[in-house]
Amino acid sequence: ELQLMESGGGLVQPGGSLRLSCATSGFTFSACRMGWVRQAPGKGLEWVASINQDGRERPYLDSVKGRFTVSRDNSKNSLYLQMNSLRVEDTAVYYCARVDWYYGLDVWGQGTTVTVSS
Amino acid sequence: QSVLTQPPSASGTPGQRVIISCSGTTSNIGNKFVDWFQQFPGMAPRLLIYRSDRRPAGVPDRFSGSKSGTSASLAISGLRSEDEAFYYCAAWDDKLSGPWVFGGGTRLTVL
Repeated sequence: ELQLMESGGGLVQPGGSLRLSCATSGFTFSACRMGWVRQAPGKGLEWVASINQDGRERPYLDSVKGRFTVSRDNSKNSLYLQMNSLRVEDTAVYYCARVDWYYGLDVWGQGTTVTVSS
Repeated sequence: QSVLTQPPSASGTPGQRVIISCSGTTSNIGNKFVDWFQQFPGMAPRLLIYRSDRRPAGVPDRFSGSKSGTSASLAISGLRSEDEAFYYCAAWDDKLSGPWVFGGGTRLTVL
């Protein structure tokens, strides 16, 4: 069974940092692009960042460039999102998703909640 | 404000056919495939339609997608109470390295 499991969310003050993790199983992680999508409370979906198989291609949403870093560890089948200089507007549920070359965003985790507040 | 435009709400009675629209531009829908996602409150999105008109395994054939020019549509026929959810369209590029853009979502109510 394909599974994605996010962790690492929590409450953080503006300017603080958090590191999200996404543990995967049930598929060949090293062969897949991966991505992070977020959803602010009561709002729609917003793509945040993606990473290709070897980690060399990492496009970001403009508003998170220079603050967020996506990475992966293929030996651990895991995806990460390091979030620095967090802002109130980064408050959201963060989902990791598999990016299949044919199906697109075809498998999603259950999400982890990030709350940025003083 | 979302890049792709969807109506905020839609409704229908059981058995009816409902269509949800998604409008974009030549830089997204006009030259890219469209995906549709279903999301229940408090749950993760689920892929409903990919490559504009294809259904993943397990998605009932009551759900269908289409695209024409810079617009796309999701049609749900034989509406059922369990279809009440949020629906999002998204457009992606064939390199899968660039950003996805999403619609703002449509809340479907089954009356």
